[in-house]
Amino acid sequence: QKEVEQNSGPLSVPEGAIASLNCTYSDRGSQSFFWYRQYSGKSPELIMSIYSNGDKEDGRFTAQLNKASQYVSLLIRDSQPSDSATYLCAAEGSGTYKYIFGTGTRLKVLA
Amino acid sequence: GAGVSQSPRYKVAKRGQDVALRCDPISGHVSLFWYQQALGQGPEFLTYFQNEAQLDKSGLPSDRFFAERPEGSVSTLKIQRTQQEDSAVYLCASSRASGPAYEQYFGPGTRLTVT
Repeated sequence: QKEVEQNSGPLSVPEGAIASLNCTYSDRGSQSFFWYRQYSGKSPELIMSIYSNGDKEDGRFTAQLNKASQYVSLLIRDSQPSDSATYLCAAEGSGTYKYIFGTGTRLKVLA
Repeated sequence: GAGVSQSPRYKVAKRGQDVALRCDPISGHVSLFWYQQALGQGPEFLTYFQNEAQLDKSGLPSDRFFAERPEGSVSTLKIQRTQQEDSAVYLCASSRASGPAYEQYFGPGTRLTVT
């Protein structure tokens, strides 16, 4: 069974700090990775996608991918209380188009 | 433009009833996916369409689950003889095409409660 694993949290950070969210995946053939934010009672909202090793920055968000270590991370700079949500990591299954999701990490940004 | 829409947003069914959940993808999106999300879990893949063709239904949990997309646009997920374990949020997602680098965008979901 191909898996994506995340620490369920909660991860608590003070307002203005950097939040670091991590994810590992088991399918070495996966090429595409995604971070979604999900507020309680809402559906997942795409934040970032990453396909190549290294860093990808978009505003306050930076996604990092290390295919050798099968590791994906999301950094949120200058965290705000409005960032409090569950963050889902997803990998596109190799040879398929379906996404395999982790269980999500709950982030709490404390004002 | 308009995002993915789903209806109904909430559905309560008595055990044994049949239900039909509708998904309207983003206009022009070729690929459509259904996922099931249990409380506290990540979404789990159910099935995938490219246009009207159902290319992968490996995630459908039983033969009580059936999905269709007859004209390559709107899709319906049907659950026959609902059971309590079918209670979950059913999410529909669409993407512009299939393949790496085509991102999936989710609708608001249908919360199904089976009593």
